[in-house]
Amino acid sequence: AQSVTQLDSQVPVFEEAPVELRCNYSSSVSVYLFWYVQYPNQGLQLLLKYLSGSTLVKGINGFEAEFNKSQTSFHLRKPSVHISDTAEYFCAVSVDAGGTSYGKLTFGQGTILTVHP
Amino acid sequence: GAGVSQSPSNKVTEKGKDVELRCDPISGHTALYWYRQRLGQGLEFLIYFQGNSAPDKSGLPSDRFSAERTGESVSTLTIQRTQQEDSAVYLCASSDRDFSAGEQYFGPGTRLTVT
Repeated sequence: AQSVTQLDSQVPVFEEAPVELRCNYSSSVSVYLFWYVQYPNQGLQLLLKYLSGSTLVKGINGFEAEFNKSQTSFHLRKPSVHISDTAEYFCAVSVDAGGTSYGKLTFGQGTILTVHP
Repeated sequence: GAGVSQSPSNKVTEKGKDVELRCDPISGHTALYWYRQRLGQGLEFLIYFQGNSAPDKSGLPSDRFSAERTGESVSTLTIQRTQQEDSAVYLCASSDRDFSAGEQYFGPGTRLTVT
């Protein structure tokens, strides 16, 4: 079975500062990796995903994440945050089931990013 | 186009009552998932439907929980004899089978409170 650990439950940061939200995973098989964002009172929205290829993936709203297989990490970064980035961020994995469509997601506990003016 | 919709948005029920939560996936999406999000915790997988295949019920926490899906459309999640620990936000997601590791589109959730 796979698991996901988000190392920080809350991350406060000032506007225009850089931010990194950490995510580590554990799995005995290959995985696909995702970051979802949940804005206040809204549903989850996909931020970015890693399936294969380049280990640096870029997503919406200026976010990017880097897959590090040796460290089993998929940390999310943004060089300069905005007030509007205040939200809860979830890291998730699904098992690479050899091309089938089964994409059951295992989520981390979430990281609340609060951007202060 | 229309996204995933869920109803009701909020449900308050007394302990011991049964509740039914509804999910309307995006039209044409063959895969449907239910997740539970308890306060301060991440999302827990509950059940997965894919076309006419047998559903994966491995995440259902007890036999009080059940779910059905009509073809490739509406799904209902039923919780019988609700307990206070069932209080959570129940999220539904759907995805297109063509994307083997594709994006799941989430609904806004149903916030269930058991008093």
